[in-house]
Amino acid sequence: DAGVTQSPTHLIKTRGQQVTLRCSPKSGHDTVSWYQQALGQGPQFIFQYYEEEERQRGNFPDRFSGHQFPNYSSELNVNALLLGDSALYLCASSLGAGGFPFFGPGTRLTVL
Amino acid sequence: SQQGEEDPQALSIQEGENATMNCSYKTSINNLQWYRQNSGRGLVHLILIRSNEREKHSGRLRVTLDTSKKSSSLLITASRAADTASYFCATDAQGNEKLTFGTGTRLTIIP
Repeated sequence: DAGVTQSPTHLIKTRGQQVTLRCSPKSGHDTVSWYQQALGQGPQFIFQYYEEEERQRGNFPDRFSGHQFPNYSSELNVNALLLGDSALYLCASSLGAGGFPFFGPGTRLTVL
Repeated sequence: SQQGEEDPQALSIQEGENATMNCSYKTSINNLQWYRQNSGRGLVHLILIRSNEREKHSGRLRVTLDTSKKSSSLLITASRAADTASYFCATDAQGNEKLTFGTGTRLTIIP
């Protein structure tokens, strides 16, 4: 049984560019949450998707957007990248919005 | 913003010793969880304690929760080199399923 998978593993972009990160949830899970973890910090909640809709959002600007597909996989899009967007982006899936979250290995984004 | 703080920020102990790290949080919670993270990779869930529980054990792990003080502690007994990692507490509130993480404790076990 595959756990949560994320792609790509690493990514390097330059300021002003746009990036798309992908997440496939654990089998049987229908809810995906995204977190940003800056170096030396704890993860911070970006948003959660359930039934293809954004259910809850953290304190992140509109440059951060997402999508959930009918197969429950999800994308995180970040526009107009800033140096401060450099971080590890973690995806977590669960069964239902309040279900126990399983985390993926993360995508390391570096913005130059 | 971070929900709380872990204390200490960094801890180095000899293999075989016990490691204790603390977490404080700011608002009422539903559950508190502890996670381990190796070298900036994904989070591994260690243990969950509910707001109506005071203590929980899992193998070499012991977690306590004091809701009156809004604090929790994680004890790892008989530490091993493989326990070297960062440890985070995370809370969720009733009707708010997002996890709010602390700042983490970096634990180093010296062989």
